[in-house]
Amino acid sequence: AQSVTQPDIHITVSEGASLELRCNYSYGATPYLFWYVQSPGQGLQLLLKYFSGDTLVQGIKGFEAEFKRSQSSFNLRKPSVHWSDAAEYFCAVGADTGTASKLTFGTGTRLQVTL
Amino acid sequence: DAGITQSPRHKVTETGTPVTLRCHQTENHRYMYWYRQDPGHGLRLIHYSYGVKDTDKGEVSDGYSVSRSKTEDFLLTLESATSSQTSVYFCAISDPARTGRNTEAFFGQGTRLTVV
Repeated sequence: AQSVTQPDIHITVSEGASLELRCNYSYGATPYLFWYVQSPGQGLQLLLKYFSGDTLVQGIKGFEAEFKRSQSSFNLRKPSVHWSDAAEYFCAVGADTGTASKLTFGTGTRLQVTL
Repeated sequence: DAGITQSPRHKVTETGTPVTLRCHQTENHRYMYWYRQDPGHGLRLIHYSYGVKDTDKGEVSDGYSVSRSKTEDFLLTLESATSSQTSVYFCAISDPARTGRNTEAFFGQGTRLTVV
């Protein structure tokens, strides 16, 4: 069965500092990987996704993620955090079934940004 | 945001009562999903639909039923609500034929359900 681990429940960074959120996955085949962001009281917004090809993926809002198959990781990064980035971030893995997008999510990392 | 509307957005109900949550989409996507979000668990799939009248169970389906009589509507029913079903419920949609990707899903704003 597929699974996702986000080892950091809560992270605090200063505005302007760099950010890395960790994500490790377990999946028996080539994974389809996602990062979603959720602001308080809101739904989930897709930041970026990896299906194949270049292992460094660029997303919205200045985020990027790197797929490392040897480490089963898909860490999210941003070089300079803005106060508006404070939110909860979810990593997810999906199966290439060719049909339904049944996603397995991590437990999330809550990002706090200090000014 | 993708054209997904969940209703109601907030609901408080009593233990043992039936509750139905509605997800309405205007994107004509084939697949629809219900997830629940709980602290420490992230989002977990309850049920999903792969077409009108075609549904299947997800990871945490016990105590829930679903129906899809039209492409645009996907209903989640708690036949007899329990306190353990207090959660935030998210609807999602996807359609690889339209987006060109197998597994990209778009989410609604969520319904906060409290069972007292």
